[in-house]
Amino acid sequence: DAKTTQPPSMDCAEGRAANLPCNHSTISGNEYVYWYRQIHSQGPQYIIHGLKNNETNEMASLIITEDRKSSTLILPHATLRDTAVYYCIVRVYDRDDKIIFGKGTRLHILP
Amino acid sequence: EPEVTQTPSHQVTQMGQEVILRCVPISNHLYFYWYRQILGQKVEFLVSFYNNEISEKSEIFDDQFSVERPDGSNFTLKIRSTKLEDSAMYFCASSRDRGYEQFFGPGTRLTVL
Repeated sequence: DAKTTQPPSMDCAEGRAANLPCNHSTISGNEYVYWYRQIHSQGPQYIIHGLKNNETNEMASLIITEDRKSSTLILPHATLRDTAVYYCIVRVYDRDDKIIFGKGTRLHILP
Repeated sequence: EPEVTQTPSHQVTQMGQEVILRCVPISNHLYFYWYRQILGQKVEFLVSFYNNEISEKSEIFDDQFSVERPDGSNFTLKIRSTKLEDSAMYFCASSRDRGYEQFFGPGTRLTVL
């Protein structure tokens, strides 16, 4: 079973920052936090991952709390194309084979 | 930018028929995966493949399923005798190494009638 908890849905106005929370209170020391998203009927798309430091790439930023029990994915300027289901996943980098997807958060970007 | 490709995009078959779903992973990737997603449900792991053998499989991946890397570029999923409940989107993915980020293809929609 997925080891993360996410709200089932969220809305965000176009052009604003979308902040998607994730709780992973049982995360182990060697588990990373990964984020993927799935735009309607397409294959999941890798967004970002991190261990304990905040991470940023061209798509998003990942903020992980100091105790690592929760994290937030930030899409800095959401567009309509960011409407998707966002999955927060914990897994061991360099060891875990499969990805266990939960139900994720359905993000609606409102025009 | 390299990407995973899958063919066909949509496959319709009769119950009991064999189907082969094809994938071309990213060229320098070593690990290959199949997932499926029944309409309205979660994405589910089926199997992972490395060095020409299965490294992990789920309970879904029973004797009706098989995978193969017939040449240096293709990765296939075969369902020997399809059932109605096999109707789903099937996603192929690949990763540079074990545990690394996985890159998914666009999927094959399998419809079993």
